[in-house]
Amino acid sequence: DAGVIQSPRHEVTEMGQEVTLRCKPISGHDYLFWYRQTMMRGLELLIYFNNNVPIDDSGMPEDRFSAKMPNASFSTLKIQPSEPRDSAVYFCASSPGTGRGGTEAFFGQGTRLTVV
Amino acid sequence: DQQVKQNSPSLSVQEGRISILNCDYTNSMFDYFLWYKKYPAEGPTFLISISSIKDKNEDGRFTVFLNKSAKHLSLHIVPSQPGDSAVYFCAATRRNYGGSQGNLIFGKGTKLSVKP
Repeated sequence: DAGVIQSPRHEVTEMGQEVTLRCKPISGHDYLFWYRQTMMRGLELLIYFNNNVPIDDSGMPEDRFSAKMPNASFSTLKIQPSEPRDSAVYFCASSPGTGRGGTEAFFGQGTRLTVV
Repeated sequence: DQQVKQNSPSLSVQEGRISILNCDYTNSMFDYFLWYKKYPAEGPTFLISISSIKDKNEDGRFTVFLNKSAKHLSLHIVPSQPGDSAVYFCAATRRNYGGSQGNLIFGKGTKLSVKP
């Protein structure tokens, strides 16, 4: 398996533009997580899905952020409109879930977003 | 409020010596703890974990200790090697709460530098 695949690896956009980050989880994993890493706040959970259903989105900072998981092999995180303070590294992770290989989450390489 | 705290942003150790990374948590409902390692420009990778029913788990050079009464865990690396230089994240979750996966709550990380 290629692991969790995120695209793009880097994104530079202008303030006000829409940004879409993409993630392909590991096949067979029931859980998908979106994290954001900043210097100030470290790694913070934005939202997670179980079997394509959003379970907890309390970490989503504002209504400008939205996430979808239309099927088991794809998820998107959208920011509209983007702002400079959204600049961060966004990680997607997937996990097989309790009882099947443990609780460990496997992370993608991240998308470094810069909003200018 | 931070539920998982890593109070040392950085640690420098000589090659061959022991590295001890510390982590404190506040939520007594956490029942599973993990350590992740992160190199620059990569996603975090799982290193070792421990269930709350144990107080020690060992895997090669890596040992994690859990002190539930103090809500404290530590990661010991013996002997430390230059390749261990990375950022180490402590994470916690409620794996068995309500039958759900829960999510990983991360500390802000400790940057370990192992000098030759």
